Amino acid sequence: AQTVTQSQPEMSVQEAETVTLSCTYDTSENNYYLFWYKQPPSRQMILVIRQEAYKQQNATENRFSVNFQKAAKSFSLKISDSQLGDTAMYFCAFMKPLNEKLTFGTGTRLTIIP
Amino acid sequence: GAGVSQSPSNKVTEKGKDVELRCDPISGHTALYWYRQSLGQGLEFLIYFQGNSAPDKSGLPSDRFSAERTGGSVSTLTIQRTQQEDSAVYLCASSPRQGRDTEAFFGQGTRLTVV
Repeated sequence: AQTVTQSQPEMSVQEAETVTLSCTYDTSENNYYLFWYKQPPSRQMILVIRQEAYKQQNATENRFSVNFQKAAKSFSLKISDSQLGDTAMYFCAFMKPLNEKLTFGTGTRLTIIP
Repeated sequence: GAGVSQSPSNKVTEKGKDVELRCDPISGHTALYWYRQSLGQGLEFLIYFQGNSAPDKSGLPSDRFSAERTGGSVSTLTIQRTQQEDSAVYLCASSPRQGRDTEAFFGQGTRLTVV
């Protein structure tokens, strides 16, 4: 079974600074997908960024980028120029093709301080 | 609507009563998931529907929990004889599952409180 570990229950950073959220996972699969989801107080889960394991290039979406280290089974999220609207719970998730069940970590509560 | 819709938004029920939670997925999405999120916790997988295939029920915590998906669209999660430990936010998600299009779109959830 796959497991996803987020070792930082809470983090805070000053507005405009850069913050990195950690995620590690355990799997014997070679091909899979990794995701970061954001959950603001509204409870709506929003996809932030996605990485396909067979792609060596790290995914980026505007201010959000990942550092995907396949051998180390690490998938960290970097938020640059952080904004107040980035305050939320962030969940790392794993999915393997054909299984299609998202396995989530326990989340990191990120607070951006004005 | 454009997104996944869940109803009710909030539900308070007495211990021992049955509840039904509804999920309307995005039109055309073949995959539908139910997750449970207890206070301060991550998301716990409950059940997964994909097209006409048999659902993956491996996450249902007990036989008091059941779900169905009628006509490949709307889904209902039923909890019988509710217990206080069933209190949580129940999230539904749908996905097109076309090729590599793997994004799951979530609803805003139903907050269930069992008193």
